[in-house]
Amino acid sequence: ILNVEQSPQSLHVQEGDSTNFTCSFPSSNFYALHWYRWETAKSPEALFVMTLNGDEKKKGRISATLNTKEGYSYLYIKGSQPEDSATYLCAHDRGSTLGRLYFGRGTQLTVWP
Amino acid sequence: DGGITQSPKYLFRKEGQNVTLSCEQNLNHDAMYWYRQDPGQGLRLIYYSQIVNDFQKGDIAEGYSVSREKKESFPLTVTSAQKNPTAFYLCASSHRVNTEAFFGQGTRLTVV
Repeated sequence: ILNVEQSPQSLHVQEGDSTNFTCSFPSSNFYALHWYRWETAKSPEALFVMTLNGDEKKKGRISATLNTKEGYSYLYIKGSQPEDSATYLCAHDRGSTLGRLYFGRGTQLTVWP
Repeated sequence: DGGITQSPKYLFRKEGQNVTLSCEQNLNHDAMYWYRQDPGQGLRLIYYSQIVNDFQKGDIAEGYSVSREKKESFPLTVTSAQKNPTAFYLCASSHRVNTEAFFGQGTRLTVV
């Protein structure tokens, strides 16, 4: 995998459903994997920065896992709420230049009440 | 309040004109970045700077120029050489140690 790929491109769920999305990235030259939430008319905000294989991070109802050997990360949202509606971006830091990120196209989540 | 500010929010430019997008941060971050977003595409890096008076081209630098005369400021000039300038532009910054990026609210540039 040369680029950062995210799937699905969009997702529509009902309030209370749990959901998950995938981010795939090149497993070579890994430094960190970032997840951002981007709500409409706002700035993207960092959710997690993950660096270690097997890492799991959690923030409220949102959690993420990381597999650097196979090059993927999952983002989980438990009991989705309408306020979770946003585009979720993942970004790969290859470590070649500090802070330089390679972004996926994002997963657009809509949570219906 | 610490943060990163982009201005203006909307910008209209006539073909053949240069235009400068402002980006200011008061987070004391060393690194700053300019990204461009087009429909259906991920954020693509235009230019980045890790220190004052130094900057590097990203993946799509053609038709753009930047300066980094102050730590707080990283303006982006979209020149007339940029073939398809209509897009959404995001500025970001990060600390050298913690590379979590902080973003501005973006500038939507339209060429008329």
